[in-house]
This record gives sequence, structure tokens and C-alpha cells, in this order.
Amino acid sequence: SQQGEEDPQALSIQEGENATMNCSYKTSINNLQWYRQNSGRGLVHLILIRSNEREKHSGRLRVTLDTSKKSSSLLITASRAADTASYFCATDETGTASKLTFGTGTRLQVTL
Amino acid sequence: EPEVTQTPSHQVTQMGQEVILRCVPISNHLYFYWYRQILGQKVEFLVSFYNNEISEKSEIFDDQFSVERPDGSNFTLKIRSTKLEDSAMYFCASPRGGASTDTQYFGPGTRLTVL
Repeated sequence: SQQGEEDPQALSIQEGENATMNCSYKTSINNLQWYRQNSGRGLVHLILIRSNEREKHSGRLRVTLDTSKKSSSLLITASRAADTASYFCATDETGTASKLTFGTGTRLQVTL
Repeated sequence: EPEVTQTPSHQVTQMGQEVILRCVPISNHLYFYWYRQILGQKVEFLVSFYNNEISEKSEIFDDQFSVERPDGSNFTLKIRSTKLEDSAMYFCASPRGGASTDTQYFGPGTRLTVL
């Protein structure tokens, strides 16, 4: 598997439900960042979690990081139709010039 | 959220032509990055630039690509002789606090279409 793989690849839920996306990676990291991208648009930064952190919250977002399993999860609570987008994790690997390595993304569809 | 701007938003060019994509990163930052995203694929790192030098580049960043910081604010990516497979969204990014391990903020991207 590649650095930064998300699962599921696609997720369809109804408004009000929670959405959980997972990301796995292979190397040591400085931090892991989650981004959102609406179709054909730019990347919007959601949250950064550092390698010495285990959990972070931002509004309806909750991110966890398990460095022993090299995995992270993004939870969006009480989803809204406006949350419909692709979500990517990106790892800042140690020993690099802090380039980000992106995963393949999870496409989230929230229906009314 | 700090703003990174890019111009043009969309560039259409003929194969073999040179293109220059421009970025205005967050001011006073030292680290800059270019990424690209081919339609339907994941975002790929191209090059990082620190203190007016390339610090790291990917295999994609071959001799057809170059980066410059022509003045104190602009940051450009030049593709000398475009190929069809260069069609993609190109994003520049810079970290929030100036340190390389900070949040990277991305510009809105330039969609490059090579015909």
C-alpha cells in the first residue's frame, strides 16, 4: 500500500449522521494534516495533528493519531450537505523538507 | 486563514509551449512548495524551495520544470515545453508560521490544459 491511503474511497451518508474516514501511512512523521477539496477546487486545510498528539478537535471535526499503528482517523459529527467533498490526509515525513505526501482521498456524499 | 494567491486560474496552451504559473505565498515565509493534481488523482509533490534554493524535488520535476522567486513576493513555476500529460491543477503552498512543520496553506490552484 502507498503512503497515506484513505478508506473508504467513497462514503455516502445522510445529513445528521457521523462520517469517519481513516488514513494509513508507512513512515515516521512530524505531523499529519487533513484537507478538504470540493470538486475541481482548491485544498482547504482542516486540522493538523503532530506526532506527539493523540487527538484534536476543531468544531465538528475530531482527529485521532496512532503512531504505533501508523494510522489516523477523521470524524465529522452531525454532517451537513455542505460537507460533501473529498477529504485527504497528508503526511509530513521526518527527514524531508516537509513536503506533504497525500493519500488517495475519501469522497464523502452527504444527502438530505 | 492566511491567503495564498495564484494566477492565472486557468491556462490553456499548445503542446510544446512554455507556461509560467505564478504564486504569491504568505508574506515573510521562507518555505514554498509546488504540487500538482492530475484530474481524478491524488495531489503530488513537485518541489520545495527554501531560502531561494530548491531543497527537494520529486521525480516528476525534471529538466522541463524550474522555479524562481523573481522578487520578494512572487514565486513562479515554469514549464519549458509543455506535454499533454502536464495537464493538471497546480497548487503552491506555504506553511503558516514560517517553519517547515507548520500547517501548509494552499493556493486556489491553476488549472493547466495542454492541447
